[in-house]
Parts: sequence; structure tokens; C-alpha cells
Amino acid sequence: GENVEQHPSTLSVQEGDSAVIKCTYSDSASNYFPWYKQELGKRPQLIIDIRSNVGEKKDQRIAVTLNKTAKHFSLHITETQPEDSAVYFCAATRRSGNTGKLIFGQGTTLQVKP
Amino acid sequence: NAGVMQNPRHLVRRRGQEARLRCSPMKGHSHVYWYRQLPEEGLKFMVYLQKENIIDESGMPKERFSAEFPKEGPSILRIQQVVRGDSAAYFCASSPRQGVVWEQFFGPGTRLTVL
Repeated sequence: GENVEQHPSTLSVQEGDSAVIKCTYSDSASNYFPWYKQELGKRPQLIIDIRSNVGEKKDQRIAVTLNKTAKHFSLHITETQPEDSAVYFCAATRRSGNTGKLIFGQGTTLQVKP
Repeated sequence: NAGVMQNPRHLVRRRGQEARLRCSPMKGHSHVYWYRQLPEEGLKFMVYLQKENIIDESGMPKERFSAEFPKEGPSILRIQQVVRGDSAAYFCASSPRQGVVWEQFFGPGTRLTVL
């Protein structure tokens, strides 16, 4: 079945450094790739997403890249701040017709040290 | 403009009891997804519903779990005869009808504890 692998499982960086989280997916028909941030005890919140018709998307300090051929996508956070500390999940889905279930990666716990 | 609402936020049940979790999607959203998050793990898809229809239940356990999204009222995830392994956070998400917006908006979750 569909599968999404996420690495690393934990990531510790100094404030101001960059953080990169990588995901690979198995279903070549996947066409939508959101990234969620989840703080302890809270709901997952979308921070950025990308569709399969583009290779890169940027929103201030956050960017996502997609390589459809290799079936992997990455989250890049620049100039990290302590408030970026959270668990980050990547997800993939085939968004068409009566589909759309998100297949999530295992999560990356990001710690930004002041 | 209320977001996705779930209730109760916390639910404690003893083994063998029934748990009933409710989800009210955002206004104008007709697609509801349920996900389960076990402690220290990621989210796992359970079921996808539209009004009065189960579209995809490939992630639902074969026994004790059921879901519905009636014409009127919230979507309900029902767990019968709960066991300790059902303890988890259950999130629902909603999205609009197929169109420009693909994002799924998550509710605050229901944290189920089975004693």
C-alpha cells in the first residue's frame, strides 16, 4: 500500500541555523504534499504545501522542494527560532475524484536551541 | 468563522464501554476525514466520509469501529467495547468539495483514555 518515509526522526539545531527534513513516498500517483506542524497536545497545522505541477514553493523562512522522478520532497526552514520547535509531519495524497486521504510520515521532532 | 470542532476534547472510558466522538466540519465543507494518533506516533488515516456516504474506510479496524456523517448533524466515530489499545488522540479534518482548495483543516482532537 501507500507509504511515506520521513527522516530524521529527531533534529536539533542552533537558533539561526537551517533545518532540513526529507520524505519519500511510494505512490507515483500522489499529487499533493502538505507539511504539518504539531505542538505538544495541539492539532496539526498546515505550514506549507506543494502540488505535483511545481518543483518548489517558498513562504518566508519555509520552503518545500519536490522531485517527482525520485519521489521525494523536503522541507527547509531557514533562520530557525525557538518557536519553530515542534513535531513536523510530511504527508502525501492522490487528490482527485473520491480520494484524498493523507498518508503521513512518522514525524520529525525539531528542537531549536537558543 | 468557526473552524473544525470536535467534542468531547477528553474522554475516559473503562474497558468494554462505548466511545462516541463527534466532529463538526467547517461551514461549507462536505468532506470529513478521521485520523488516529497513538502516543509518540504519527497520524494514521481511518475513514473518509461525505454526507450520508462512506467513501473510503480502508484504515478502519474491521471490528468495533464505525463512522457516519448524516445529512444533518456532526460526523460520529463510534468505538464499541473499547480496549486499552484504543487509547489515542482522534483527529478529524474537513475539506471543501473537490475544487481549488485541497487543504484539510484539522480539529483540536479527542483524547481517549481507556482505563
